Amino acid sequence: KAGVTQTPRYLIKTRGQQVTLSCSPISGHRSVSWYQQTPGQGLQFLFEYFSETQRNKGNFPGRFSGRQFSNSRSEMNVSTLELGDSALYLCASSYSGNSYNEQFFGPGTRLTVL
Amino acid sequence: EDQVTQSPEALRLQEGESSSLNCSYTVSGLRGLFWYRQDPGKGPEFLFTLYSAGEEKEKERLKATLTKKESFLHITAPKPEDSATYLCAVFNAGGTSYGKLTFGQGTILTVHP
Repeated sequence: KAGVTQTPRYLIKTRGQQVTLSCSPISGHRSVSWYQQTPGQGLQFLFEYFSETQRNKGNFPGRFSGRQFSNSRSEMNVSTLELGDSALYLCASSYSGNSYNEQFFGPGTRLTVL
Repeated sequence: EDQVTQSPEALRLQEGESSSLNCSYTVSGLRGLFWYRQDPGKGPEFLFTLYSAGEEKEKERLKATLTKKESFLHITAPKPEDSATYLCAVFNAGGTSYGKLTFGQGTILTVHP
């Protein structure tokens, strides 16, 4: 069974630009969660999508947005990039997004903002 | 606000020297406690889920246990390949909690040959 895939693996952008990251979940999984990982803050929850609907959102500014497609693939977008947005962005998929299904993580997208 | 605290921040062991990692948590209603392993430059790898106090799970040299306030990850006779960051996370029952894991800061484990 193929794991969670994320593209691209690395990105370098400059302040003010916008970026779109992509995540393909494990086949059959309908829930996709996104996390930001930084050395200072650790792993922080961004949002979760299930059947193309955002069901939960973390404490991040509106510059961070996402969507999910009918095939469960998900994208997240960050607009007007700031230096502090440099991080490893991880997506995780699970069957339903509740506590009884494990979340499986992708390898992440390393975003560097210059 | 859910809180997860892991200790120690870093742990250095000699190969074969058993030890334990600690994860203490404060949540409004625990629905699950998860352990992950993360290697540098990679995404977290799922290890265990624990749901109720007294529950234990084992996998190779790792054993996870859960009480009402904390969880332990016991590592028996570790090998250098066990070197990684070990992350603990909780899933609570309060509010809108879909898909949200709250993570601790992790314990960096280094096992020397």
